[in-house]
Amino acid sequence: GEDVEQSLFLSVREGDSSVINCTYTDSSSTYLYWYKQEPGAGLQLLTYIFSNMDMKQDQRLTVLLNKKDKHLSLRIADTQTGDSAIYFCAEKADSNYQLIWGAGTKLIIKP
Amino acid sequence: GAGVSQSPSNKVTEKGKDVELRCDPISGHTALYWYRQSLGQGLEFLIYFQGNSAPDKSGLPSDRFSAERTGGSVSTLTIQRTQQEDSAVYLCASSPNSGGAHNEQFFGPGTRLTVL
Repeated sequence: GEDVEQSLFLSVREGDSSVINCTYTDSSSTYLYWYKQEPGAGLQLLTYIFSNMDMKQDQRLTVLLNKKDKHLSLRIADTQTGDSAIYFCAEKADSNYQLIWGAGTKLIIKP
Repeated sequence: GAGVSQSPSNKVTEKGKDVELRCDPISGHTALYWYRQSLGQGLEFLIYFQGNSAPDKSGLPSDRFSAERTGGSVSTLTIQRTQQEDSAVYLCASSPNSGGAHNEQFFGPGTRLTVL
C-alpha cells in the first residue's frame, strides 16, 4: 500500500534553516501537505502543494517537490523557537478522500 | 469562529472499562474523521463520515471500536473493554467537503486516553 516516510527528529540552531524531508510511494498523489502540531494541540495545516508544481514559497516556508523521486521537503528559513513542533507530511490521491500520513518529524531548536 | 472541539481532553481508565470520546466539528463541515496517534507513529485512520452516507469504518482496529455521528454533526467514538494498547491520543478532524480536490482537514486538540 501507499507509504509516507519521514525522519523522526531534526535538530537545528536558532536562526539557521531547517529542512524537513519526506518520501512517498503513491505515484497518483495530487496534493501533498505539511501539517504542524504544537505540544498539546491538534494538527494545523501549514502549507500544501499541487503535484504539477515543483516549488511553493510562503514567507519563511519553501516547499520543494521532486515528483520523479517522490520526494517532498519543507524548508523553514531563520528558524525560531516558536517553530518547535512536530511536522507531518501527508499525501492525497485525487480520487481518495483519505490522506496518507508520515510519522512526523520533531523539530528541536537549539539556542 | 469556533474550531473543532473534543472532550474530554484527558481520560484515564482501567483496563476492561468502556470509554466514550466526543467530537464537535466545525459547523457546516460535512466530512468528519477520527484518527489515532500513538507515540512515534503517524496518524492511524480509524473512521470517516460524509454527510448521510454510510461511514468508512475500514480503519477501526477491532470490533471493540465503534463510532456514531448524530444529525450530521457531533460524533462519538466508543471503545469497549479497553486494553492497554488502546492508550493513545485520539484526534478528530472535519473538512468542508468530501475530497476530490484539495481538502483541508481541521483538527481538534485530541483526547489523550490512558488505559491502566
